Amino acid sequence: GQQLNQSPQSMFIQEGEDVSMNCTSSSIFNTWLWYKQEPGEGPVLLIALYKAGELTSNGRLTAQFGITRKDSFLNISASIPSDVGIYFCAQLRAIQGAQKLVFGQGTRLTINP
Amino acid sequence: GAVVSQHPSWVICKSGTSVKIECRSLDFQATTMFWYRQFPKQSLMLMATSNEGSKATYEQGVEKDKFLINHASLTLSTLTVTSAHPEDSSFYICSARRQGTPYGYTFGSGTRLTVV
Repeated sequence: GQQLNQSPQSMFIQEGEDVSMNCTSSSIFNTWLWYKQEPGEGPVLLIALYKAGELTSNGRLTAQFGITRKDSFLNISASIPSDVGIYFCAQLRAIQGAQKLVFGQGTRLTINP
Repeated sequence: GAVVSQHPSWVICKSGTSVKIECRSLDFQATTMFWYRQFPKQSLMLMATSNEGSKATYEQGVEKDKFLINHASLTLSTLTVTSAHPEDSSFYICSARRQGTPYGYTFGSGTRLTVV
């Protein structure tokens, strides 16, 4: 199916705390992408991972491509109010001869000031 | 670079009417665009792939006669929701990929459709 298993579904944290979320797939893929969606907007690419074991940072965000190629993790350090939003993992999949972007269920992040 | 503009940002229509949503790539050409639908508190679900100059390809379960897609130029794809019903109320988002950027899928800001 299309779904990637993403957890947790939601997080309620205090400003300044670190955040960790993950995504798993039953199949092996060559890419992991992490997006953030703010209310009423389309998703924006945060980090793209291309090979197993890769660890990539974007400011306070760090993502890793799991060694098994079936999972990925996204960490946010020292959270701030503007980190609020929904974080999606995604994969590029070849479906019926076409490359398609498939999203996980999302992790909704809420931050208490 | 790689800006995708979507219009309108929100629309309210009466049940039974049709609504057209536009998706434009402003600073690049896109032979392929994608249309997603997102219900409240759910993920983005791919509806169809819009192909410039040819027919769109629809995902399983998406009615092609209800969701008409036209990709008449390299910078414009339109999605028309025909005979809209309240259950079609959703957030519709398009995306496009700039040539030469394998993972550079840029998304529009979405269209909130409410059918009353």
